[in-house]
Amino acid sequence: ETGVTQTPRHLVMGMTNKKSLKCEQHLGHNAMYWYKQSAKKPLELMFVYNFKEQTENNSVPSRFSPECPNSSHLFLHLHTLQPEDSALYLCASSHAGTGAYEQYFGPGTRLTVT
Amino acid sequence: AQSVTQLDSQVPVFEEAPVELRCNYSSSVSVYLFWYVQYPNQGLQLLLKYLSGSTLVKSINGFEAEFNKSQTSFHLRKPSVHISDTAEYFCAVTSMDSSYKLIFGSGTRLLVRP
Repeated sequence: ETGVTQTPRHLVMGMTNKKSLKCEQHLGHNAMYWYKQSAKKPLELMFVYNFKEQTENNSVPSRFSPECPNSSHLFLHLHTLQPEDSALYLCASSHAGTGAYEQYFGPGTRLTVT
Repeated sequence: AQSVTQLDSQVPVFEEAPVELRCNYSSSVSVYLFWYVQYPNQGLQLLLKYLSGSTLVKSINGFEAEFNKSQTSFHLRKPSVHISDTAEYFCAVTSMDSSYKLIFGSGTRLLVRP
């Protein structure tokens, strides 16, 4: 699946580092999402952007900062993370408001915080 | 509030045997239902969906699911599994109540043995 791409695929960072995750969708969608997938826990929705506007922030700590400069790109800026933030971070996109409710996912970024 | 329950965290099965992965949901309004599959080290891929019409929906690789409104279920079935079907399977629901966000179950790991 190349409709939604994510870089990097793997990232190891220390707790004092600053890094960014990038997501790009080539499907012409207008909504984008960040999810966190931890071992043995359900998928957690973090942020939702509709038409570049943030419409949802599920009580995510401020050490995670999303950015959506246009409807095709989504970033997740990371700083002063904790070891419990180690997880697979998934980006997804969809058509908002058209009756096409399914989301398409990228391959994810495997983040390890040391 | 909506919720999705996947009762089985893991389902072991022998190759060529039939399998059923169970999914139940709770909602007070009409829903749209999805099954996603996640292969190791990959993102989620849409397997099949129910939006309206026929309650039996099928995927291109032999899986099918039936929407049962009275039992609030959307179980996934395959009459004969392959080793390559080994993966994590997620059931998801959305509706106007959740502002069309996807609510995911906790996942079922299908382990196909030779």
